[in-house]
Amino acid sequence: QQQVKQSPQSLIVQKGGISIINCAYENTAFDYFPWYQQFPGKGPALLIAIRPDVSEKKEGRFTISFNKSAKQFSLHIMDSQPGDSATYFCAARTLWDYKLSFGAGTTVTVRA
Amino acid sequence: EPEVTQTPSHQVTQMGQEVILRCVPISNHLYFYWYRQILGQKVEFLVSFYNNEISEKSEIFDDQFSVERPDGSNFTLKIRSTKLEDSAMYFCASRESSGTEAFFGQGTRLTVV
Repeated sequence: QQQVKQSPQSLIVQKGGISIINCAYENTAFDYFPWYQQFPGKGPALLIAIRPDVSEKKEGRFTISFNKSAKQFSLHIMDSQPGDSATYFCAARTLWDYKLSFGAGTTVTVRA
Repeated sequence: EPEVTQTPSHQVTQMGQEVILRCVPISNHLYFYWYRQILGQKVEFLVSFYNNEISEKSEIFDDQFSVERPDGSNFTLKIRSTKLEDSAMYFCASRESSGTEAFFGQGTRLTVV
C-alpha cells in the first residue's frame, strides 16, 4: 500500500534555480507532513514540516506548499545551491502515531 | 549536539546467519524505532518500541526479527536467519516523550551474501 507518492524520482537544476518536489497522500488521517534531507551514507534529517491547518510554511530557502483538498504537498527549494544536492523524502503521519510513511525519494542534483 | 549512533556502519553476513544491529538513542529519549531502506527504494517502517515492549510493527517485521533494549543505553535489532532480501540500510530513530520528531541515526548497511 503506497500511502505517499512522490515525484519526480530525480531532478537536475542549475545553481540559483528552483527545485520543486511533489507528494500526494491517500490517508486522510495524516495530519503531519515532514520533509527529510538525506546525504549519501547518512540518515534522513528533518528539513521542514507542516500541519494541514496552514497552506504554506517557509524556512529560509525551503518552502512547503500544502493543498488539503487535493491531498498534495510540495517542497520548493529556492536559489538552489550545490550543497543542496541530496535525496529528499516527503513523509506523513498521524499526530497520535509517530510511524512515518515515506515517499520514494527525489534525488536532487544542483549543477554549479 | 546529541545524536543517535549506530554500529556497525557496514555489516556483511552470510545468508542464514544471525546479525545484531546496535543503536544508542539520544539519552533522554524513550521511544525507539527501526526503519529500513533497500537500495534505491523508500524508507520503510519496521517497528516502534516503548517501555520495553513493541508498540507497533509492520508486516515486514516477521518472526525472524526481534528488538531489545538490553541495558539503559542500547537498542538492538536482531535478524535471526538472514536472507538475501534483508540487504538494506537499517536506520534507528529515537524520540523524547514530548517531542514531535524522531531523530535518525546514520544507518547500518547490511549486506547478505
